[in-house]
Amino acid sequence: DAKTTQPPSMDCAEGRAANLPCNHSTISGNEYVYWYRQIHSQGPQYIIHGLKNNETNEMASLIITEDRKSSTLILPHATLRDTAVYYCIVRVATGTYKYIFGTGTRLKVLA
Amino acid sequence: DAGVIQSPRHEVTEMGQEVTLRCKPISGHNSLFWYRQTMMRGLELLIYFNNNVPIDDSGMPEDRFSAKMPNASFSTLKIQPSEPRDSAVYFCASSFIEGGNEQFFGPGTRLTVL
Repeated sequence: DAKTTQPPSMDCAEGRAANLPCNHSTISGNEYVYWYRQIHSQGPQYIIHGLKNNETNEMASLIITEDRKSSTLILPHATLRDTAVYYCIVRVATGTYKYIFGTGTRLKVLA
Repeated sequence: DAGVIQSPRHEVTEMGQEVTLRCKPISGHNSLFWYRQTMMRGLELLIYFNNNVPIDDSGMPEDRFSAKMPNASFSTLKIQPSEPRDSAVYFCASSFIEGGNEQFFGPGTRLTVL
């Protein structure tokens, strides 16, 4: 079973920040938080990952709480092309390479 | 880079037929994953390989499914005999173990078994 909990759906106005939460209360010390998204029926796309520090790349920012039991993916200026299902996954970075995908959050960006 | 290549993109077959799905990972990647996605069960990992060696096939649903990776640039997922409940989108993904382990997914093969 997935070790994460996400809201099933969210809406966001175009141009505004989209904040997608994820709970991972049973995360272990050596497990990273990964975010992927799946646009329509395409293959999932890697967005970002982190261990305990906040991370930022050209796509998004990842904010991880100090106790690491939850995190938030931030799309700073959402566009219609960001409409997708967003998956939050926790896993170790070495050894076992399995991802267990949950049901994700279906983000709809509204014009 | 062409990314992960999967073929065919669409496959329609009749129950009982053999189906072979193909995947070419990104050059230089040394892990390869096969996933299945359905509306009911979501995205499920079937099997993965590290350095062409199968590591975990616990997600393979039954003996009708088999996967091989004869070399670093090619893998197959075979279903024999196929059944209507095998209808799904099958994704292949690859990654570089020593990197950040982010996986790069192919476009998928949509399989319909009549």
